[in-house]
Amino acid sequence: NAGVTQTPKFQVLKTGQSMTLQCAQDMNHEYMSWYRQDPGMGLRLIHYSVGAGITDQGEVPNGYNVSRSTTEDFPLRLLSAAPSQTSVYFCASSYGFFMNTEAFFGQGTRLTVV
Amino acid sequence: GQQVMQIPQYQHVQEGEDFTTYCNSSTTLSNIQWYKQRPGGHPVFLIQLVKSGEVKKQKRLTFQFGEAKKNSSLHITATQTTDVGTYFCVGGNMLTFGGGTRLMVKP
Repeated sequence: NAGVTQTPKFQVLKTGQSMTLQCAQDMNHEYMSWYRQDPGMGLRLIHYSVGAGITDQGEVPNGYNVSRSTTEDFPLRLLSAAPSQTSVYFCASSYGFFMNTEAFFGQGTRLTVV
Repeated sequence: GQQVMQIPQYQHVQEGEDFTTYCNSSTTLSNIQWYKQRPGGHPVFLIQLVKSGEVKKQKRLTFQFGEAKKNSSLHITATQTTDVGTYFCVGGNMLTFGGGTRLMVKP
């Protein structure tokens, strides 16, 4: 039972590079989301999706794109990396957006932009 | 937009002492969830509160949801070193995390 799988675990990028953070879940959850966590701070919502083909912006969406072509996958794309995007990124999934159920988090991706 | 504030930001306790963290929302919440994140780890679900005035217990942890559904608290009795971590409250559909309370326990 894999749960929520994020890849890669660590990544170093140069300013201006683009990359995709992968997130996959095997629990058939409708709701998926991406957060970033900066040192000593809470989690801030970047984008979320309430089902395949549906995405919406969270609190800090600038510089990031998402898509949801399948229920299982919810990749996060950094279009042109900036040092301000150095952070730990967490993907989460839960049964339903309106069901208010337990969320499962991936192990996180630690991204450094130099 | 909705704001969820948590206090304190940090708390050092001696092992065996009690600990409480408070969560306050600027708006009424449909529900509130609590998560624990160990150092270097990811958030793990602890509990969800839905009803006004609800109180739930998990061993040494007691969770409360305010009557107005705008505040919540987590109380740990007789802390242990295994309680170390950051405790987050999350309001309404996972959209708004509190800033978290980092608990440090001195053995």
